[in-house]
Amino acid sequence: GEKVEQHESTLSVREGDSAVINCTYTDTASSYFPWYKQEAGKGLHFVIDIRSNVDRKQSQRLIVLLDKKAKRFSLHITATQPEDSAIYFCAARMPNYNVLYFGSGTKLTVEP
Amino acid sequence: NAGVIQTPRHKVTGKGQEATLWCEPISGHSAVFWYRQTIVQGLEFLTYFRNQAPIDDSGMPKERFSAQMPNQSHSTLKIQSTQPQDSAVYLCASSLPYWGASYEQYFGPGTRLTVL
Repeated sequence: GEKVEQHESTLSVREGDSAVINCTYTDTASSYFPWYKQEAGKGLHFVIDIRSNVDRKQSQRLIVLLDKKAKRFSLHITATQPEDSAIYFCAARMPNYNVLYFGSGTKLTVEP
Repeated sequence: NAGVIQTPRHKVTGKGQEATLWCEPISGHSAVFWYRQTIVQGLEFLTYFRNQAPIDDSGMPKERFSAQMPNQSHSTLKIQSTQPQDSAVYLCASSLPYWGASYEQYFGPGTRLTVL
């Protein structure tokens, strides 16, 4: 099955700087890549996704890049704010199959 | 829209007891998923239903875990003879079918199960 590796287990940035979280996947058939945010004691909250028919997607301060050749995707958070501090999970999914395979999570700390 | 509802939020059981976890998906969502989250293993898929039918339970430990979806409004995950290694946060998610307008899975707050 699909395996997703999330490269940064922790990341610390200063408020206003950009944060980048990188993930790789193994199955070339994977076609959908969502990102989730988890705050302490809470469930996963969807933040942004990208499908394999595009290589870049932006939603306000969030940018997702997808490199299908390298089987790599990344989340860029620009102009970080303290409320961005949380654990971020990347995931991958194959077409016609709903199950998400998650990375191990990145704890992002935005320091004022 | 109340989101995905999971009850109880916390459950403590003694080793060998049974635990039943409940999930109420978002109204209109026909796919329901169960995941387990631990520090060591991270987020693991357990099982999923589409239109109440079990589709894939490949992540479920076979002997003591079972899941059902008796109607559109709730699903249960039952763990018999709980063991300390079953301690985890159990997350339920729901979504429209993959062929629908959105692929997004919406997660509930989770049930933290502690087995003493």
